[in-house]
Amino acid sequence: GIQVEQSPPDLILQEGANSTLRCNFSDSVNNLQWFHQNPWGQLINLFYIPSGTKQNGRLSATTVATERYSLLYISSSQTTDSGVYFCAGPNSNSGYALNFGKGTSLLVTP
Amino acid sequence: NAGVTQTPKFQVLKTGQSMTLQCAQDMNHNSMYWYRQDPGMGLRLIYYSASEGTTDKGEVPNGYNVSRLNKREFSLRLESAAPSQTSVYFCASSGEYEQYFGPGTRLTVT
Repeated sequence: GIQVEQSPPDLILQEGANSTLRCNFSDSVNNLQWFHQNPWGQLINLFYIPSGTKQNGRLSATTVATERYSLLYISSSQTTDSGVYFCAGPNSNSGYALNFGKGTSLLVTP
Repeated sequence: NAGVTQTPKFQVLKTGQSMTLQCAQDMNHNSMYWYRQDPGMGLRLIYYSASEGTTDKGEVPNGYNVSRLNKREFSLRLESAAPSQTSVYFCASSGEYEQYFGPGTRLTVT
């Protein structure tokens, strides 16, 4: 399946700051998703974004499929944004299953 | 509308014991998945079911079996637990691409 690499691995922000998380993938994708794992372990689906740009409140994501990367933007960060952000691409031999990157761990401090 | 539910939330087993992790979804999704999450490893696919009546191996199936009981339910069984199976287990479902995750089961094998 697709190899997914995320950067940076760790990030510390002060509340109110903006950030950009990056996901590089090894081949063309028809399925690229971003998830947030909160400090209690719950995985929340943020975006399904194989190409183009989507926005949801303070979060937005852009995937440039031809250049094999996706970006997640967090604006005006809040402490509740803390957790781990995962990017995932298709696990090509397994139906709609996903291959996950190792995540970006974000800590937003007051 | 509960989404994806998993039981139990926590479990401690001794080496050699068996147990079944239960998963159910109420979104009428065809596909269901079991992943495990280990520190620093992201999520890895254990088994998936593309539709009722079918199951297939993922990346790390050894030591596990699954049953797609009906469209709603997908269970994961550990026949003889080993310390290497200490992990957090997530069940997920999808209609097509977008995946939705259960709250996870934290399993410790001593």
